[in-house]
Amino acid sequence: QMTQSPSSLSASVGDRVTITCRSSQTVRRYLNWYQQKPGKVPKLLIHGVSNLQSGVPSRFSGSGSGTDFTLTISSLQPEDFAIYYCQQSFITRTFGQGTKVEIK
Amino acid sequence: EVRLVESGGDLVRPGGSLRLSCAASGFTFSNHWISWVRQAPGKGLEWVALINQDGSEQYYVDSVKGRFTISRDNVRNSVSLQMNSLGGDDTAVYFCARDGGRAAEDCWGQGTLVTVSS
Repeated sequence: QMTQSPSSLSASVGDRVTITCRSSQTVRRYLNWYQQKPGKVPKLLIHGVSNLQSGVPSRFSGSGSGTDFTLTISSLQPEDFAIYYCQQSFITRTFGQGTKVEIK
Repeated sequence: EVRLVESGGDLVRPGGSLRLSCAASGFTFSNHWISWVRQAPGKGLEWVALINQDGSEQYYVDSVKGRFTISRDNVRNSVSLQMNSLGGDDTAVYFCARDGGRAAEDCWGQGTLVTVSS
């Protein structure tokens, strides 16, 4: 089971945003992050905890290990308002419930 | 261009069956694991099923075990999801997605809507 926090947050352009994902058991480094905008298909941002997918801006970063992981957006941009999901891929696949990032 | 295109979504009555298909192009299909992921209206992503490169391994979320079957045809570059005994909780947009080789889904189709209702 993957648990994200917070479920939603309000932030302003330029803010530093951190989203946390916790797994009920170790997933080693098989932890990915996705971004989904309304009406759009999920987009892979980060794979293997901290590896930025090609084309993803460097303001996105990931960290953590074992059971606790973090997605950080260093300076929130207007196009970053979306829902973010973590996903473990150590044992099949499980998604977190999502974190909605809204405009403050 | 890497592309996945789902089809087969429809309105189906409770207890009914439906078969979804996902057509792949633009990459060597037989090299990749493929997942089905669904998203109920207004809800989050739920992984449903996964199949390995040659189709010899299949995995399912507990809620669909015994009802859904994932399969693939590496000649036709397609993956299918046979869904039986459908219930209201199965109403969702179903996406197929490619594992890009790093145990992460790097390419997604646009999805196909399955509605289970009487």
